[in-house]
Amino acid sequence: NAGVTQTPKFRVLKTGQSMTLLCAQDMNHEYMYWYRQDPGMGLRLIHYSVGEGTTAKGEVPDGYNVSRLKKQNFLLGLESAAPSQTSVYFCASSKLETQYFGPGTRLLVL
Amino acid sequence: SQQGEEDPQALSIQEGENATMNCSYKTSINNLQWYRQNSGRGLVHLILIRSNEREKHSGRLRVTLDTSKKSSSLLITASRAADTASYFCATDENDYKLSFGAGTTVTVRA
Repeated sequence: NAGVTQTPKFRVLKTGQSMTLLCAQDMNHEYMYWYRQDPGMGLRLIHYSVGEGTTAKGEVPDGYNVSRLKKQNFLLGLESAAPSQTSVYFCASSKLETQYFGPGTRLLVL
Repeated sequence: SQQGEEDPQALSIQEGENATMNCSYKTSINNLQWYRQNSGRGLVHLILIRSNEREKHSGRLRVTLDTSKKSSSLLITASRAADTASYFCATDENDYKLSFGAGTTVTVRA
């Protein structure tokens, strides 16, 4: 079992560029989440999904979009990257209360 | 907004000593969880305590929950160098979404 995987591991973008972060899980979990982590702060929820084909906004959704076309994948998109979106992005999945996290994607927006 | 707040922000102890960190939260919860994050890695679930539980143990970890004070504590006994990490509390308000605190950074000195 690979658990939760994220690609890419690191990316540098210029302001205004777009990109998609991919999260994949092989645990057949219904719930999937995207968080961002900034220095000195805990994780903040961006978007989440309670099942295939569903998505919902979290605490900080502005500037991001998501899609869950397949149960095992949860995509996070940045349509027009801004320096404020420089962060480490974590994906997680869960069956019940306990969440399982991926290794993170470091994103730098110049 | 973040629900949990950990205290202290940072903790430095000698190997073999105990480490205690606290978490306070604001609203009613279904359960409270503690996660560990090693530098540059994703979060790993440590322990979950439900709102009707007062204390829980897992190996060298002891968690308490006081719902009347809206607070929890995590005790790591007989600390080891491998316990060096950041520790986060996360609250679940019964919707499988977690709200994380800013974390306590623990350094265990050899």
